[in-house]
Amino acid sequence: GAVVSQHPSWVICKSGTSVKIECRSLDFQATTMFWYRQFPKQSLMLMATSNEGSKATYEQGVEKDKFLINHASLTLSTLTVTSAHPEDSSFYICSASRSFGGSYEQYFGPGTRLTVT
Amino acid sequence: AQSVTQPDIHITVSEGASLELRCNYSYGATPYLFWYVQSPGQGLQLLLKYFSGDTLVQGIKGFEAEFKRSQSSFNLRKPSVHWSDAAEYFCAVVANFGNEKLTFGTGTRLTIIP
Repeated sequence: GAVVSQHPSWVICKSGTSVKIECRSLDFQATTMFWYRQFPKQSLMLMATSNEGSKATYEQGVEKDKFLINHASLTLSTLTVTSAHPEDSSFYICSASRSFGGSYEQYFGPGTRLTVT
Repeated sequence: AQSVTQPDIHITVSEGASLELRCNYSYGATPYLFWYVQSPGQGLQLLLKYFSGDTLVQGIKGFEAEFKRSQSSFNLRKPSVHWSDAAEYFCAVVANFGNEKLTFGTGTRLTIIP
């Protein structure tokens, strides 16, 4: 159990276009989802926290107008990269959190590789 | 400043040898502690976690980690590595229990040689 999927797994787009990435929790409800960005051979950098039914909370330095996050249901969060540029090329990973029995865990999706040409 | 440190960027180990990956944190209170593994081009898989209780934690794939409060460390160990263990390993913490945000270390890349 506790599977998180992402779609697409990879995408190539032209500079100036927008790209939407979906993150789904397949077998549990997630009130909170997270979006990360990872550059080659680097660690994960948290971009924003997505809460169902409310506005996302962005980390310092992340442009909220460029990276639009929508958490429309307890199983789906989307990240839209608007007016993409080559510097937005990266590996984007989402996670969904679940608290249970005094424990806590984040489950990660397989990631989406975005290449902007 | 609050931080998670993985001192070793890259470690090479012979197959069958033992492994220890280091992780240190700098927070006022004991955070929730995690170890994740990432294969190339993949998402992250949780190996183990520590919240409280027994300081020696057993995880999946034969990994274990020991929490040492006096050293602010949470080192990952495996007695005998397999070629399939080659991957990137991340230590992570949740320091603010109200917002559940994970802070990751910089990662340690593990290479296995025959």
